[in-house]
Amino acid sequence: GAVVSQHPSWVICKSGTSVKIECRSLDFQATTMFWYRQFPKQSLMLMATSNEGSKATYEQGVEKDKFLINHASLTLSTLTVTSAHPEDSSFYICSASRDTDTGEQYFGPGTRLTVT
Amino acid sequence: GENVEQHPSTLSVQEGDSAVIKCTYSDSASNYFPWYKQELGKRPQLIIDIRSNVGEKKDQRIAVTLNKTAKHFSLHITETQPEDSAVYFCAASKGSASKIIFGSGTRLSIRP
Repeated sequence: GAVVSQHPSWVICKSGTSVKIECRSLDFQATTMFWYRQFPKQSLMLMATSNEGSKATYEQGVEKDKFLINHASLTLSTLTVTSAHPEDSSFYICSASRDTDTGEQYFGPGTRLTVT
Repeated sequence: GENVEQHPSTLSVQEGDSAVIKCTYSDSASNYFPWYKQELGKRPQLIIDIRSNVGEKKDQRIAVTLNKTAKHFSLHITETQPEDSAVYFCAASKGSASKIIFGSGTRLSIRP
């Protein structure tokens, strides 16, 4: 149990376009999901906390108008990178928390975004 | 906010020897401390975790210790094997549905 999927696994887009990444909890309901970004040889940096039915909470320095997060259901959160630029190229990973857990998060497989 | 520091950034040990990675955290309200192993291009994999009401936890060759007073926690891997080579991250959280803050990572290499 506790499987999280992401789609797509990789995407290449042109500079200036927008890209949507989906994060799904397949066998549990997740009122809270998290989005991380990981640059090569660096750690996972939390971008935002996504709460079902409410606005996301963004970490300091993350542009909320550029990284749009929508958590429309208990099993789906989406991250849209708007007007992507080459510096947005990164590995984006989501995670989901089950309310019954005491802290453990379940990570998606990640999405490799390359902006040309 | 929470800050997690991790040392060393790289670690090379002889196969069969032990490896130790150390972390400190800043927020005394943190009560959940997971450790992850990440292979290139893959998601972080939880290998062991510890909660603040416990001082030590062991799972086969892996153990974690927690010193709440000093805000230190450590990962110990004994009898290291080639497949232990990966990047390891410590992390801290305030528990259920709370964000997890990651340390900077340790690249562990096991020499044959």
